[in-house]
Amino acid sequence: EAGVVQSPRYKIIEKKQPVAFWCNPISGHNTLYWYRQNLGQGPELLIRYENEEAVDDSQLPKDRFSAERLKGVDSTLKIQPAELGDSAVYLCASSFGQGGRETQYFGPGTRLLVL
Amino acid sequence: AQKITQTQPGMFVQEKEAVTLDCTYDTSDPSYGLFWYKQPSSGEMIFLIYQGSYDQQNATEGRYSLNFQKARKSANLVISASQLGDSAMYFCAMREGRGYQKVTFGTGTKLQVIP
Repeated sequence: EAGVVQSPRYKIIEKKQPVAFWCNPISGHNTLYWYRQNLGQGPELLIRYENEEAVDDSQLPKDRFSAERLKGVDSTLKIQPAELGDSAVYLCASSFGQGGRETQYFGPGTRLLVL
Repeated sequence: AQKITQTQPGMFVQEKEAVTLDCTYDTSDPSYGLFWYKQPSSGEMIFLIYQGSYDQQNATEGRYSLNFQKARKSANLVISASQLGDSAMYFCAMREGRGYQKVTFGTGTKLQVIP
């Protein structure tokens, strides 16, 4: 079974440019998460989807970040415009079911560097 | 107050020895879940073990066990018979709130296994 797929793996952009990250969750997983992990820190949840509905986006900086999960499968996270402080690893994870016990499976992440 | 505290930024352990990685948490919810993840240098987060707040017994998964002390709000990870491949960052995480929606990760402990 294929794991969570993310692309690109690495991205270097100049500040004020837009950038987008793509995530394909494990087949059948209804819940999808986007995390940001700064250097030397643990992941921080940005947004959580249950199917196509964003059920928790309280930590998403909505002035520049947006996300979508069309048809409840793939998801895209966008930053426009990017700032220097956005340099981080963006992790996507997916899980099946609800209730909190379900295991999150993470993708390899996209490493973003904003110059 | 920090929700998840990992006080050991780095740890060394001799190959084949056991090691304990500390994690304390802070929540007022009676229902919560505690997770440990491993993050090798490749960047992917790998689920290791789960402990529910109502679980009566400490969780075990192969060489991993969780020393859950609810009254002290600690959930330490014990790795027995350390292997060189165990060298990685280890993160403690908690899910709490209605539907276990709120996810918080600690800052991690870097474990290095010495031959």
